[in-house]
Amino acid sequence: LAKTTQPISMDSYEGQEVNITCSHNNIATNDYITWYQQFPSQGPRFIIQGYKTKVTNEVASLFIPADRKSSTLSLPRVSLSDTAVYYCLVAAKGSARQLTFGSGTQLTVLP
Amino acid sequence: EAGVVQSPRYKIIEKKQPVAFWCNPISGHNTLYWYLQNLGQGPELLIRYENEEAVDDSQLPKDRFSAERLKGVDSTLKIQPAELGDSAVYLCASSRGGGSSYNEQFFGPGTRLTVL
Repeated sequence: LAKTTQPISMDSYEGQEVNITCSHNNIATNDYITWYQQFPSQGPRFIIQGYKTKVTNEVASLFIPADRKSSTLSLPRVSLSDTAVYYCLVAAKGSARQLTFGSGTQLTVLP
Repeated sequence: EAGVVQSPRYKIIEKKQPVAFWCNPISGHNTLYWYLQNLGQGPELLIRYENEEAVDDSQLPKDRFSAERLKGVDSTLKIQPAELGDSAVYLCASSRGGGSSYNEQFFGPGTRLTVL
């Protein structure tokens, strides 16, 4: 089961790009990397998922190096409403593996 | 489409009392998850269902926790008797499930349980 390590917290200012890195040294061949966002008093919300190289959607980009032992979630031009906890999740294909969230990274966007 | 529905949103009980949480997943989602989330921590998986079958319940404390998903749709998580340490947020999530790819989970708002 791949263990993930993320910074506990990060601060940024409105309009800046934020990069949150997750380490997952023992990622398995079939594991995908997924990022979730959680606001207070809400359940987590899916942001982006990838397997290798780069994935981009309307919300964020996910960069995964060739060895896949880490990944970086990039949030362009953050706003105050991006203040939340961000979780990096590594899980295998199919339904045989547990889904482990870890403690996440508290991102605080300042005005 | 309607999201994952959970009830109640809040529950306060005294220790040793029973409590039950209900979850209705997104229509058509075969996989249902129950998570426990302590303050300042990420969600921890308690049990996962594929349709009505519990396929991953290794983290469920079976001496006091039980869950069911009889018709493969909505689900109930029960604690009996509750202990002080059970105070947490209980999250339900669902996904399309099946196939060979890991599917995006959709979470409900959770039930915040306080045991006094």
